[in-house]
Amino acid sequence: AQSVTQPDIHITVSEGASLELRCNYSYGATPYLFWYVQSPGQGLQLLLKYFSGDTLVQGIKGFEAEFKRSQSSFNLRKPSVHWSDAAEYFCAVAPSGTYKYIFGTGTRLKVLA
Amino acid sequence: KAGVTQTPRYLIKTRGQQVTLSCSPISGHRSVSWYQQTPGQGLQFLFEYFSETQRNKGNFPGRFSGRQFSNSRSEMNVSTLELGDSALYLCASSLSQGAYEQYFGPGTRLTVT
Repeated sequence: AQSVTQPDIHITVSEGASLELRCNYSYGATPYLFWYVQSPGQGLQLLLKYFSGDTLVQGIKGFEAEFKRSQSSFNLRKPSVHWSDAAEYFCAVAPSGTYKYIFGTGTRLKVLA
Repeated sequence: KAGVTQTPRYLIKTRGQQVTLSCSPISGHRSVSWYQQTPGQGLQFLFEYFSETQRNKGNFPGRFSGRQFSNSRSEMNVSTLELGDSALYLCASSLSQGAYEQYFGPGTRLTVT
């Protein structure tokens, strides 16, 4: 069955520190991959996406993600975290040809001043 | 360009009642998907509509239904509400079936008492 795993439920980092959020997926072929961010009481905002091509993708707010086919991973990174990055982050996959997103369980990021 | 709008933002209903939620996609977007977000189950796909036709459906009981109008606006209906239906219901729109990025609205918070 298709699945998305975000192994870290909570992550705490200091402001200015680097960040990496992990995402692994289980799917027969390479799906479309996404990272979304959700602030409390809000909907989801698209940070970045991977469909094909360059495996390092740049997104908004200084985020980037790297697709590694051999590891079935799509980890999100940011070199220097800002206090405003505190939120919940979701990795999602969409089997090619569908909008039926499968979401990970999310990683809640806390940023220490 | 205005984003995805959902009405109402908050709703309180009693067990056994029914509810209708509304979603207006981004102008020009023709695909609308619905998701249920709960603390226990996370984000789960409900269904997707394109050109007034349901294209995909998630694993939810028949009490959950939806429709899409000719102007791409969509509604979802939940009949015979149960306590477990309390959730944040998110609507997402996409440009067309060839584009797989989804843009989410702020959600409707449904509380069933």
